Amino acid sequence: AQSVTQLGSHVSVSEGALVLLRCNYSSSVPPYLFWYVQYPNQGLQLLLKYTSAATLVKGINGFEAEFKKSETSFHLTKPSAHMSDAAEYFCAVIFSGTYKYIFGTGTRLKVLA
Amino acid sequence: DGGITQSPKYLFRKEGQNVTLSCEQNLNHDAMYWYRQDPGQGLRLIYYSQIVNDFQKGDIAEGYSVSREKKESFPLTVTSAQKNPTAFYLCASRSTGAPSGEQYFGPGTRLTVT
Repeated sequence: AQSVTQLGSHVSVSEGALVLLRCNYSSSVPPYLFWYVQYPNQGLQLLLKYTSAATLVKGINGFEAEFKKSETSFHLTKPSAHMSDAAEYFCAVIFSGTYKYIFGTGTRLKVLA
Repeated sequence: DGGITQSPKYLFRKEGQNVTLSCEQNLNHDAMYWYRQDPGQGLRLIYYSQIVNDFQKGDIAEGYSVSREKKESFPLTVTSAQKNPTAFYLCASRSTGAPSGEQYFGPGTRLTVT
């Protein structure tokens, strides 16, 4: 069955350190992939998406993600964490010809001063 | 400004009562979705609709009902049959013109049933 796995439900980094949030999907066919961010008691906001153009995708707030087909991964990175990056991050996929998105269970990012 | 509105932000109900959550979009999107969010479980799909007057059950439709009489509106009713209705509910929409299109989310409604 198609699925999305986010390794690490909680990740802590120091302010200024590298942020790395992991996302792997399970499918023989590459999907379209998305990263969303959610602040407490708010909806989800799109950070970036992969749509089969460039494998390295740049998003808002300095985030980027690289699609690696051989590893079925789409990890999210940011070179230097800011306190404002503290939030929950969700990886999601959708397959061509379908209307149903599959979400990971989320990773809560904590940024330490 | 285009977007999705959900009302109210917080909703309190007594057990045994039905309650309807509102979702309106002015993005001219054909597809709309309802998700339930519980801590540690990510987003779970309740219902989705691709066009007016048509909708499909998602993964956890039991105890919920929807209607799609207008393109802009997709209300969700949480019935008394839903055994654990307390949760954060998110509505989303998407243009069906692009297969890779992202979803746009509303601000959510937090429902508490006691």
